[in-house]
This record gives sequence, C-alpha cells and structure tokens, in this order.
Amino acid sequence: SAVISQKPSRDICQRGTSLTIQCQVDSQVTMMFWYRQQPGQSLTLIATANQGSEATYESGFVIDKFPISRPNLTFSTLTVSNMSPEDSSIYLCSVALGAPNYGYTFGSGTRLTVV
Amino acid sequence: GESVGLHLPTLSVQEGDNSIINCAYSNSASDYFIWYKQESGKGPQFIIDIRSNMDKRQGQRVTVLLNKTVKHLSLQIAATQPGDSAVYFCAETNRREAAGNKLTFGGGTRVLVKP
Repeated sequence: SAVISQKPSRDICQRGTSLTIQCQVDSQVTMMFWYRQQPGQSLTLIATANQGSEATYESGFVIDKFPISRPNLTFSTLTVSNMSPEDSSIYLCSVALGAPNYGYTFGSGTRLTVV
Repeated sequence: GESVGLHLPTLSVQEGDNSIINCAYSNSASDYFIWYKQESGKGPQFIIDIRSNMDKRQGQRVTVLLNKTVKHLSLQIAATQPGDSAVYFCAETNRREAAGNKLTFGGGTRVLVKP
C-alpha cells in the first residue's frame, strides 16, 4: 500500500493567517482526498483532488477558504485560509489505491490550533 | 493536545473479552465497507474491509459482518487487548471496482480496554 508523509504534523497559528499542509505519497496515485476531523468527531471530506483538474469540494467547503493544489501524481497541498479558532481541527490527506486492493490509506494528520 | 474520540460513544471492555462495535450506514448503493482504527495522534489505520457481495469476512482476531437488509455493519474483536484501545470508524463507498470514489465515515466508537 502507499505510504503518505504529511506535514506539518502540528501547528499553532494566529487567527487571520493561512497555513499550507503538504501531502507526499511514495507512489503515483490518481485520487487524493482531504478530510477535516474536528475535536472528538468523525472525519468529514473537504474535497477530492485529481491531478490536472480543479478539486471537487463537498457541501460546506469552498475553494477560497480551502484552496488545493495537485501539481503531480505524488503530491498535494491544502491551504487553510484566513483562519479562525473554529478551524482548529485535524486535517488528513488520503489516497485511493488501485488494483488489486482498492483500499484507502491515510496520512498521520496535521493538528491545527488557531489562537 | 487534542484527543480523538472525546465526545464519541464509548465501549468499555474487559481485557480478554470480545468486543462488538456497530455501525449503521445510510447509502443503499454503497458496495464497499471498511473499518478503521485511529489511535491518538495518528491517522486512521485499515483493519478490515468487506464488499457488498459478502456478509462476513474474517481477519486476524477481527470479523466484519454486513447486513444489507438493515444497512448495518459490525466489527467483532476477539480477545480484546490493551492495544485495541482506540477509536473505531466504519466507512462506506460505492466503488463498482473502479478506484477513487470518496469514503463516507460513520460517527465512530471509542473502545476502552480495562486491564
């Protein structure tokens, strides 16, 4: 299965600033996903990122707030813009594996605290 | 720091006993289901999966049961060990043997193993 390196692992940021989270995969993957996990909650999909096309955002998430880049098949970034304390969460990237496993692998997450 | 599962339902289990974690899913079109384990400070880790053409699948100390009639999924852990203490999430997707469809996560259950 793919190995994902996500960084930073944690950060404390001032409100009004932006943070870019990086996700590096050790193999080429078509589909990458970004999730948010608010404290004590389950995972909520933010967007799906395909190489060579615009990211597809889920209801409640917009590109201006969470711009995503996907420059190649092994890398993606998620930016959390103009942060407020409500953005304090764990942000996770995930990739969909191809044949024969068809599973999904997750990074270790970025723990963001906005003060 | 933040902890996963602070507000999730908790299952307390005596070490050595069997654990049963339940999950209700909503999309009758879902055809692939996965159980994940998430320990504090880590991303979700794959435990076991099952396709909709099966109703039971066994792994090492774990069994997943799928009841499509009532859209219910369960994870059984045999001889629960302290290392099984974590938050457990079910996830569903409609894959149709093609890579890349997004996962939808259930609410999660925190398992606490008592020595």
